[in-house]
Amino acid sequence: KNEVEQSPQNLTAQEGEFITINCSYSVGISALHWLQQHPGGGIVSLFMLSSGKKKHGRLIATINIQEKHSSLHITASHPRDSAVYICAVTYGGSQGNLIFGKGTKLSVKP
Amino acid sequence: GAVVSQHPSRVICKSGTSVKIECRSLDFQATTMFWYRQFPKQSLMLMATSNEGSKATYEQGVEKDKFLINHASLTLSTLTVTSAHPEDSSFYICSAGGRHQPQHFGDGTRLSIL
Repeated sequence: KNEVEQSPQNLTAQEGEFITINCSYSVGISALHWLQQHPGGGIVSLFMLSSGKKKHGRLIATINIQEKHSSLHITASHPRDSAVYICAVTYGGSQGNLIFGKGTKLSVKP
Repeated sequence: GAVVSQHPSRVICKSGTSVKIECRSLDFQATTMFWYRQFPKQSLMLMATSNEGSKATYEQGVEKDKFLINHASLTLSTLTVTSAHPEDSSFYICSAGGRHQPQHFGDGTRLSIL
């Protein structure tokens, strides 16, 4: 059974700080997703990656397949980044059947 | 970019009511749609996978007679919670994927059964 562990569960930062959220999983995967869930529940897909590193604006996602570990970084954090960030993986070659982590609740204070 | 529309965003209704939630892919053909449920402070859990034109595949522990899923076209899937009870109160979210599309998520539906 694949399990997805995220850390930390809660994170409070000051505006401008560099933020890192970690995700580890237990078995081989075909892809890893980083999702952002805003208060009220809507989910936005930030990244889908299976190797290396991706960057979009102030967000950077990396994955180390050998170590079964991924990180999401936010540079120059802003209060509008406050949300729950969720790591999810797919495995077995299926596009679907996501296994979700429990999420990291980020609060960025002005 | 690709967009998935989920409706309604919030439902409050009495126990025993049946509730239908729609999930539409707006600019791509969604060959597969997924329905998830999230209880407070818990992870999203996959309920079922639906492929256009065929019966949905339900995860273990999800009652197919209670959670009716229809995926009649490549742009629309519906989830009907039949005879809803307070324990069905949850956040339901769909996602849609196409042949060359990653999954895109709807905004979710918060269901509250009184």
